[in-house]
Amino acid sequence: DTEVTQTPKHLVMGMTNKKSLKCEQHMGHRAMYWYKQKAKKPPELMFVYSYEKLSINESVPSRFSPECPNSSLLNLHLHALQPEDSALYLCASSSPAGRSLSDTQYFGPGTRLTVL
Amino acid sequence: AQTVTQSQPEMSVQEAETVTLSCTYDTSESDYYLFWYKQPPSRQMILVIRQEAYKQQNATENRFSVNFQKAAKSFSLKISDSQLGDAAMYFCAYGPLRGATNKLIFGTGTLLAVQP
Repeated sequence: DTEVTQTPKHLVMGMTNKKSLKCEQHMGHRAMYWYKQKAKKPPELMFVYSYEKLSINESVPSRFSPECPNSSLLNLHLHALQPEDSALYLCASSSPAGRSLSDTQYFGPGTRLTVL
Repeated sequence: AQTVTQSQPEMSVQEAETVTLSCTYDTSESDYYLFWYKQPPSRQMILVIRQEAYKQQNATENRFSVNFQKAAKSFSLKISDSQLGDAAMYFCAYGPLRGATNKLIFGTGTLLAVQP
């Protein structure tokens, strides 16, 4: 089973709202990722959690706040976003315990975010 | 720094025909992973095929196969007996085998159209 789930599928929010994106995997993976993707472009890495600790932050604005409550769950908290933050947000996971953290990344279906 | 180049922004193939998508990369590492991901309009990134650089044998998954030329740093994807469901954006990606980061480096993508 290589399933990564994301909720919600679609989200529309105003610039003053606070919302959260959720990602879940039950493959025993110990690395989880958030990506932002604009139309017809490759995904851009935002954050990486390895063993529930933030290991990479690609200079993402503080209006995006990641959280990894446990090894299966990854959240992305959103606050005071700008219209240019509208994009597809993808979650991915990789690396069963004991394997290289660089092993294959499996992606979720994404959340389509629109900021008005 | 590693780079991945996909020189074909768009390709088209007739149903049941064969098409090859090109990918070149640059790295100073000797061991690494290479991936092809497919992203249909439904938007989920789906792993198509994976190649470990230390393996000389080209990876194959059903109708999908790669031509991995390590010395030339080339990693092309061949799709045989193309089907309408193969229409998608295809991303080539490089992943480190070791090191402090497990960041994927993506190419810019090739949009494949399949004509009935």
